[in-house]
Amino acid sequence: GAVVSQHPSRVICKSGTSVKIECRSLDFQATTMFWYRQFPKQSLMLMATSNEGSKATYEQGVEKDKFLINHASLTLSTLTVTSAHPEDSSFYICSARSPVIQLAGATDTQYFGPGTRLTVL
Amino acid sequence: AQTVTQSQPEMSVQEAETVTLSCTYDTSESNYYLFWYKQPPSRQMILVIRQEAYKQQNATENRFSVNFQKAAKSFSLKISDSQLGDTAMYFCALVGGKSTFGDGTTLTVKP
Repeated sequence: GAVVSQHPSRVICKSGTSVKIECRSLDFQATTMFWYRQFPKQSLMLMATSNEGSKATYEQGVEKDKFLINHASLTLSTLTVTSAHPEDSSFYICSARSPVIQLAGATDTQYFGPGTRLTVL
Repeated sequence: AQTVTQSQPEMSVQEAETVTLSCTYDTSESNYYLFWYKQPPSRQMILVIRQEAYKQQNATENRFSVNFQKAAKSFSLKISDSQLGDTAMYFCALVGGKSTFGDGTTLTVKP
C-alpha cells in the first residue's frame, strides 16, 4: 500500500514551452499533496502545498503563475511549469499525505512519488 | 518556525557494522511527527521509520531504530548490521503543521 506515482519520469522540452507533471496516490485518498524541487545532492525544497478542492499554498519565492498546481481530486495533483526556461531544469518530487488512518500507521505520513527529471533546453 | 538540523553531511560504515545518524530539531508545535527517509541513487524517497512525538517508546523497524529524546529535541537513527543496499542519502523530517526536511546525510556502506 501507500504507492504514489508520478508521470512522466523524465521530460526534455524547449525553452518557452509548458510541461505538466502528474502525481497520483494509487491506493489511498490524499487530501494533501506536496510539490518539492531538489537539486543534486541537496535537500528537498518545498514549493507548494495543495489541498483537494482549494488553491495551493506556495512557499515564499515560488512564482505561483509559473508553477501552476491543480489538486482536482483526492488522488490527483498536477504541476504545470509554464514558459519553462533552462533555470527550471531540476528534479521535481511530489508527495501525498492523508490525515486519516487508511493504512496502518499512516497518519500524517508523506509518501513520495519517484520524481520527474525536467530538462529545459 | 520549524528547523531540522543534520550535522553530518557524509558518513561511512563497514558492512555488518552499526552506524548512527544524528538529527536535532526545533518546533513550537506540541503535536508533531518525526520521520527518517532514505533516498538511494534512484532518487526515490523511501520511508524508513516514523515516530509520534507523544509516544515515549522509540520506534523500531527491523534493523532500523531511533533514539528519540523529546526534551533535547533529538531524533537519531541507528542502522544495525549495515548492508550495501543501505547506501543512500538519509533525510530527517519533522511534520508539525508544516513539513520540514534536514539537509541530509550521505551514508556509504563499504564492503
